[in-house]
Amino acid sequence: DIVLTQSPALAVSLGQRATISCRASQSVSTSSYNLMHWYQQKPGEQPKLLIYDASNLASGIPVRFSGSGSGTDFTLTINPVQADDIATYYCQQSRELPLTFGSGTKLEIK
Amino acid sequence: EVQLVETGGGLVQPGKSLKLTCATSGFTFSTAWMHWVRQSPEKRLEWIARIKDKSNNYATDYVESVKGRFTISRDDSKSSVYLQMNSLKEEDTATYYCTTDNNYYFDYWGQGVMVTVSS
Repeated sequence: DIVLTQSPALAVSLGQRATISCRASQSVSTSSYNLMHWYQQKPGEQPKLLIYDASNLASGIPVRFSGSGSGTDFTLTINPVQADDIATYYCQQSRELPLTFGSGTKLEIK
Repeated sequence: EVQLVETGGGLVQPGKSLKLTCATSGFTFSTAWMHWVRQSPEKRLEWIARIKDKSNNYATDYVESVKGRFTISRDDSKSSVYLQMNSLKEEDTATYYCTTDNNYYFDYWGQGVMVTVSS
């Protein structure tokens, strides 16, 4: 199985940039696609799709969210961070079954 | 508006069975692939199962930890997907979400249903 590794938490100040990383145990990219996706989960809510295929913004997601990366290293950036962005962020790979998730990064305000 | 509503959760003893239902609306269910994903009390997300549509022979796949115990199925006439869970273990305790598929990522999620396996 592909293991995705995320840092447990990240503290940033409001209005600053947040960079959340996700490292895969093997490449999740093909010749055409980077098969890494990002979700936001606020307390008491279901996860919500933010970014698909590493860098594509899902419908209705603000442009302060962006994604990048290829191969085994991926990044979700929030710039600028707003109070409403306090949540846990998960990466997920679709390169192969079983589909797997990272353990999540909790975004906190400094 | 896409809606996914899971029901059927609750408290169950180890070794017993439970069946979850996900009723959907707002999209063409008959051509959609569907998944179940669960989240442990420690907040870890785990993909459990996927079912394809009729044109793909309703093919299914499962994570190893539930193979032989869980069965995903669907009823296109009711726009619903199901998860039959047998031989439940304490480690199956989680919130269970049904999701829609978009090239093996999850674009819509239900609100989730809690399953607690305990004696």
